[in-house]
Amino acid sequence: DQQVKQNSPSLSVQEGRISILNCDYTNSMFDYFLWYKKYPAEGPTFLISISSIKDKNEDGRFTVFLNKSAKHLSLHIVPSQPGDSAVYFCAASVIANTGNQFYFGTGTSLTVIP
Amino acid sequence: DARVTQTPRDKVTEMGQEVTMRCQPILGHNTVFWYRQTMKQGLELLAYFRNRAPLDDSGMPKDRFSAEMPDATLATLKIQPSEPRDSAVYFCASSGGSRDDKETQYFGPGTRLLVL
Repeated sequence: DQQVKQNSPSLSVQEGRISILNCDYTNSMFDYFLWYKKYPAEGPTFLISISSIKDKNEDGRFTVFLNKSAKHLSLHIVPSQPGDSAVYFCAASVIANTGNQFYFGTGTSLTVIP
Repeated sequence: DARVTQTPRDKVTEMGQEVTMRCQPILGHNTVFWYRQTMKQGLELLAYFRNRAPLDDSGMPKDRFSAEMPDATLATLKIQPSEPRDSAVYFCASSGGSRDDKETQYFGPGTRLLVL
């Protein structure tokens, strides 16, 4: 059972516009959320994160929003650039007996059209 | 430039053969993860180690998969015997470089496995 869901497998956006990638989760115990970006033939790379005590975190063109009541996370990229075209994975972590447990979504493939 | 390295990058094998994938975590990282990427499930956690001790391997098919950390600089994932359904990209990741960085995982480039 997927505890972290990315319901949109793909998204296309014009260069310069805003890209909004969405992520939903089911476990209310998740306390840390991350976004990773993956180019073809490479491993995912860390992009931005947010703690559950916050509702927004910004880093340059990237902003992550957290709505705990809705169990919803979103990544905003503005303005979008062609180099942002990649697969974006949402991830969440929870502290378990054995340490932090991580759960990843299935990814959203973003295409930024020049 | 500290990176996670994985070998081999690509592996094609026949059903029934043993497959061994290797990972060198970033020096100083104390947690190592193995993931499998499939179209259907996205990134699935197979197993992870902290300070070389296996903490969770519940995501791994126990009858054919095994994961070990012979030392702090090497993690291995073995499949024996391999099956066509094991075809996927296998990623290793490490974390734990510092207090502020404890949650971020650094991924290797992956091993693309094709079992015929």
